[in-house]
Amino acid sequence: DIQMTQSPSSLSASVGDRITITCRASQSISSCLNWYQQKPGKAPKLLIYAASSLQSGVPSRFSGSGSGTDFTLTISSLQPEDFATYYCQQSYSTVRTFGQGTKLEIK
Amino acid sequence: QLQLQQWGAGLLKPSETLSLTCAVYGGSFSAYYWSWIRQPPGMGLEWIGEINHSGNANYKPSLKSRVSISVDTSKNQFSLHLSSVTAADTAVYYCASDYGDYAGEYWYFDIWGRGTLVTVSS
Repeated sequence: DIQMTQSPSSLSASVGDRITITCRASQSISSCLNWYQQKPGKAPKLLIYAASSLQSGVPSRFSGSGSGTDFTLTISSLQPEDFATYYCQQSYSTVRTFGQGTKLEIK
Repeated sequence: QLQLQQWGAGLLKPSETLSLTCAVYGGSFSAYYWSWIRQPPGMGLEWIGEINHSGNANYKPSLKSRVSISVDTSKNQFSLHLSSVTAADTAVYYCASDYGDYAGEYWYFDIWGRGTLVTVSS
């Protein structure tokens, strides 16, 4: 399986901050990388697909970048509703895998 | 607008078989791969496997010996069966659509079911 490693595992930030979450793949996955947001008790929600494409309806403060093995999710100005857990996921292999998650908390 | 509705038994005893079904509404059943993903309490997401309308399936290698995913195109439904469950299989199980772009190069889980909590306990 392709291993996906996110950092940090948790992050404290304030409303209005700019934050970046990193995801690293154990082998090159081209741009086959997706980002999801999950709030407690809810199903994950797709934010970014193909490393940098914004899913319809997702605010433009979310952006993704990277290719190969290293990827980032950036939130340009945190809003109260952004405090959640974020997961990366690779679709390069037919065996899909997720990162372990990054919990974004209010400072 | 594609929607997924899932159901199945929520309480199992060790060694029993977990069975969940997901119905697809409002979209093309043949356009996607149909996935099962689980999340143990307080933990991250784990992909279990997926299937397309033709019955082509892929599974997580470590679960492959216990997992079977099937499809019923007449009902636009797909199902998960996980045999010989233990407490380690306790999780919220999600069905999801794995959508591929026009070239089939980029795939992503765009629609999710609401999740079913399955508890394994004696």
